[in-house]
Amino acid sequence: GQQVMQIPQYQHVQEGEDFTTYCNSSTTLSNIQWYKQRPGGHPVFLIQLVKSGEVKKQKRLTFQFGEAKKNSSLHITATQTTDVGTYFCAEPMDSNYQLIWGAGTKLIIKP
Amino acid sequence: KAGVTQTPRYLIKTRGQQVTLSCSPISGHRSVSWYQQTPGQGLQFLFEYFSETQRNKGNFPGRFSGRQFSNSRSEMNVSTLELGDSALYLCASSSEGGQKLFFGSGTQLSVL
Repeated sequence: GQQVMQIPQYQHVQEGEDFTTYCNSSTTLSNIQWYKQRPGGHPVFLIQLVKSGEVKKQKRLTFQFGEAKKNSSLHITATQTTDVGTYFCAEPMDSNYQLIWGAGTKLIIKP
Repeated sequence: KAGVTQTPRYLIKTRGQQVTLSCSPISGHRSVSWYQQTPGQGLQFLFEYFSETQRNKGNFPGRFSGRQFSNSRSEMNVSTLELGDSALYLCASSSEGGQKLFFGSGTQLSVL
């Protein structure tokens, strides 16, 4: 069945370092979505990518959708403590009513 | 607009009991999805409702059920609770389903 692999599971960084998480799908996607979940919180929608090769920026966050629409990445430049949390990618199943979620990448800032 | 409201926020039950969780979506959203989140399993899809119809169901036993009312409010029910049902249950609403989900704060269920 349709699967999405998200890596890494954890990333420890010093404040000010960059962070990247990757998602790879077993199928060509109509879109991919990214969500952030702060510790103790709930997932919050960040962005949806639709077009092949699309690159979108939100301040220090850069989202990319692969040319083949089977992979995506989220890159954070110069991490801050407010970036701490788990970042999930999610892709629609064929029906488009249900999302399949990556396992998430937890961003941890080293003290 | 008010966000997605889930009640109760915390719940403690014992094995064998049943529980009902409630979700009020964002006004105008007709799609409500339910997810189970555990530290080891991530976000697992339970079911999705749109205009009172269940359109999708995840791979959960029949003890897990849900419904949606004409005002789009949704409830999920878990019968004969097991220890493994302890989890954060999240409700999400959207206008279309599967697109740009808005989540509630969740119900943290503990089964003792």
